[in-house]
Amino acid sequence: AQSVTQLDSQVPVFEEAPVELRCNYSSSVSVYLFWYVQYPNQGLQLLLKYLSGSTLVKGINGFEAEFNKSQTSFHLRKPSVHISDTAEYFCALGGNKLVFGAGTILRVKS
Amino acid sequence: ETGVTQSPTHLIKTRGQQVTLRCSSQSGHNTVSWYQQALGQGPQFIFQYYREEENGRGNFPPRFSGLQFPNYSSELNVNALELDDSALYLCASSSGLRTGVEETQYFGPGTRLLVL
Repeated sequence: AQSVTQLDSQVPVFEEAPVELRCNYSSSVSVYLFWYVQYPNQGLQLLLKYLSGSTLVKGINGFEAEFNKSQTSFHLRKPSVHISDTAEYFCALGGNKLVFGAGTILRVKS
Repeated sequence: ETGVTQSPTHLIKTRGQQVTLRCSSQSGHNTVSWYQQALGQGPQFIFQYYREEENGRGNFPPRFSGLQFPNYSSELNVNALELDDSALYLCASSSGLRTGVEETQYFGPGTRLLVL
């Protein structure tokens, strides 16, 4: 069975500080991993994805994530956050269906 | 290029009623997936359609059913609505299956359903 665990339900951070949102996965098949962002009252927007190849993946809005097979992790990072990054972030494990984590709310404070 | 669109944006129904939600997939996409996102939770997979045939189903009862049309738009139908069906319903489209490479799913804005 496949599963995704997002280790933090909420992450408060000050503007211009770095942030890491943690994601661990469990899968017995090929691993495809995604990060999506959801702004209030909106659908999901793709931030980045790992399908194969380089374990460091760069996405939109300055976000990046690193695939770590030995630790079964796919943590999302940004070196300097902005107020506009305040949103809910979902890690997802791919296949014919996406398996999502419960989400992490990123709150950026001024 | 037109993105994924869904209608209606909001809907209020009463318990026991039936509802139909609609989704237009992104141009060039032939696969549509539906997800239910309850308040405070991550989306859960309901089912997927590929070229008008169901291609995978999550842990949802048969009163959740769907259709995909020749133009690859899709409907989600829910019969005998229950209070727990209140959620955001998300549609996602992708460019095709069975290529050996995972296809990225692109999401619409969702339909928020409230069951009273």
